This record gives sequence, structure tokens and C-alpha cells, in this order.
Amino acid sequence: EDQVTQSPEALRLQEGESSSLNCSYTVSGLRGLFWYRQDPGKGPEFLFTLYSAGEEKEKERLKATLTKKESFLHITAPKPEDSATYLCAVQAFSGGSNYKLTFGKGTLLTVNP
Amino acid sequence: EPEVTQTPSHQVTQMGQEVILRCVPISNHLYFYWYRQILGQKVEFLVSFYNNEISEKSEIFDDQFSVERPDGSNFTLKIRSTKLEDSAMYFCASSAPLGQGDGYTFGSGTRLTVV
Repeated sequence: EDQVTQSPEALRLQEGESSSLNCSYTVSGLRGLFWYRQDPGKGPEFLFTLYSAGEEKEKERLKATLTKKESFLHITAPKPEDSATYLCAVQAFSGGSNYKLTFGKGTLLTVNP
Repeated sequence: EPEVTQTPSHQVTQMGQEVILRCVPISNHLYFYWYRQILGQKVEFLVSFYNNEISEKSEIFDDQFSVERPDGSNFTLKIRSTKLEDSAMYFCASSAPLGQGDGYTFGSGTRLTVV
């Protein structure tokens, strides 16, 4: 069974204080690892997909990296508007036409001004 | 930017009643999904739908649940007889065919409250 564990559960930063969020996973054949941002009462908003170990992607203050067992979401000089829950999800190769995502519980990031 | 549209945004229903949640996926996507998120918990997979049939369903998706794509644009989730524990946010998602971009997009969700 695919499993995703995110840490920490919650992280409080001061504006400008860089940090990283962790996503550890076990999956039988990784097709992709996804990072989403979720604001309260809203649907997950796509950030990145990583497909293979060593891959990195960047978007504004966010950078996602992938190894064979975990992914990191680095946030550089965060601003209060970066406050949200960050979700990690994995998608496994399957023989059929199903590409479901298995999610972690998320990391609630709060950035104080 | 293309988006997945869900209606209604909030639905309150009495226990035992039937509800239908509606979704309009992104037009060129071929794979459709329903997920749910109980307050404070993780997003959970319910069902995937491809080529007009269910391709996989989770243990949550029992006989009380059904999905349908009644026309070329809508994708619905029906709960036949709602229970208190069905109260959750329900998210519709759609994705592009493998190899045609990341394309895994979620809607804003329907908050279902069963009283």
C-alpha cells in the first residue's frame, strides 16, 4: 500500500526565515510525486510534479526536490501570503487506467509578518 | 487557465436523503476522480473514472455511492442515503492522458453537511 508521511505537521516562520518541508514516501513504482498548496476551505492547488530522483523544480520562493525515498519543499524568504497547508501526494504506475493520488496529511505553514 | 468547476459549493442535507454533487472537468481531460476530505484529515481517494466506467474505487466507495458522466461535460457523484459520517469536503479532479502534461487539477470542492 502506498504511504506518504509529511513533517512537520505544523511550522511557524517569521517573514524572510527560510525552511524546508519533508515528504517521505513508499510506493510500488513511482510515476510522480506532487506538491499542492491548500488554503482553508479550498481545493488543492497544483504546484509541482517530480518524476525521478535528482529532479528539481522552482516556482517563485518555492523549490521542490526528489530523492528515491523523500521529497523536500524548500521555501526561501517566505511572505505571509505563503501561509497555507502544503500537501504531498504520490502517484504509482499501474497496469490499468487509474492514476489516483495518495496524499499525506500536509504541513500547515504559518508565516508571521 | 482551465479549471474544474464544482456545484454546489455547500450542501446541507438530512440523514438518509440522496445528494448529487456535480462537476465540470477540464474539457480535454480523459480521467476523472472524486476525493473527499473530512475536516482535519487527509485528502482521500474515492473513485476514478475513465472511458465511461469506473477504473478503481476505494473501500470508502461502497454501494451507497455512484458516479456518472451523463453527457460530454458533467461528472456527478451520488450518495444514495447519506449518513452523518459522509459530512466532508468532496473534491472533483481531472487529469490529462499519460504523457500529456501534469494536468491533475482539482475543483474548489463541495462542502457536504449531513444533519
